[in-house]
Amino acid sequence: GENVEQHPSTLSVQEGDSAVIKCTYSDSASNYFPWYKQELGKGPQLIIDIRSNVGEKKDQRIAVTLNKTAKHFSLHITETQPEDSAVYFCAASRDSNSGYALNFGKGTSLLVTP
Amino acid sequence: KAGVTQTPRYLIKTRGQQVTLSCSPISGHRSVSWYQQTPGQGLQFLFEYFSETQRNKGNFPGRFSGRQFSNSRSEMNVSTLELGDSALYLCASTDGPEAFFGQGTRLTVV
Repeated sequence: GENVEQHPSTLSVQEGDSAVIKCTYSDSASNYFPWYKQELGKGPQLIIDIRSNVGEKKDQRIAVTLNKTAKHFSLHITETQPEDSAVYFCAASRDSNSGYALNFGKGTSLLVTP
Repeated sequence: KAGVTQTPRYLIKTRGQQVTLSCSPISGHRSVSWYQQTPGQGLQFLFEYFSETQRNKGNFPGRFSGRQFSNSRSEMNVSTLELGDSALYLCASTDGPEAFFGQGTRLTVV
């Protein structure tokens, strides 16, 4: 089955700096790669996603890049703010007649210090 | 548009008991997936229901089951609870591959 690895497990940055989280996946058939942000006591919130026919996608201060050949994708957060502090999860899935099962990385705990 | 609603938010059960968790998806979404989140194993896929049929299942024992009703609401059941079943159970309402999660039900087995 699919195996998603995520690094680093913890990341501390100063407010205003950039943060980068990287994930690799094993199943070459995976074609959908979402990123989730989870705050304490809440469920994961979808913040951005990318499909395998696209190399990069941006939404304001966040961007995701995908390298299908190397089977890795990354989340980039620019101009970080204290409210960006949370746990971030990457995931991978593939289109299937049997639906979409997300395979998650273990998460990155991001701390943005003022 | 209302989000995903999971009830109850918290549960405490005793080993050997069974438990039923409920999920109401986003209006118009026909698919519901369930995930288990623990500190050790992270987020793991349990199963997915679409139009009242289970169409995908993760690697969990048969004690974990679910169902979906005609209004797309879903329930999951865990029988013969074990201490290791203590976790946050998350329901996701899906629209194609995009999954939108509820706040989860925190189950504690004592």
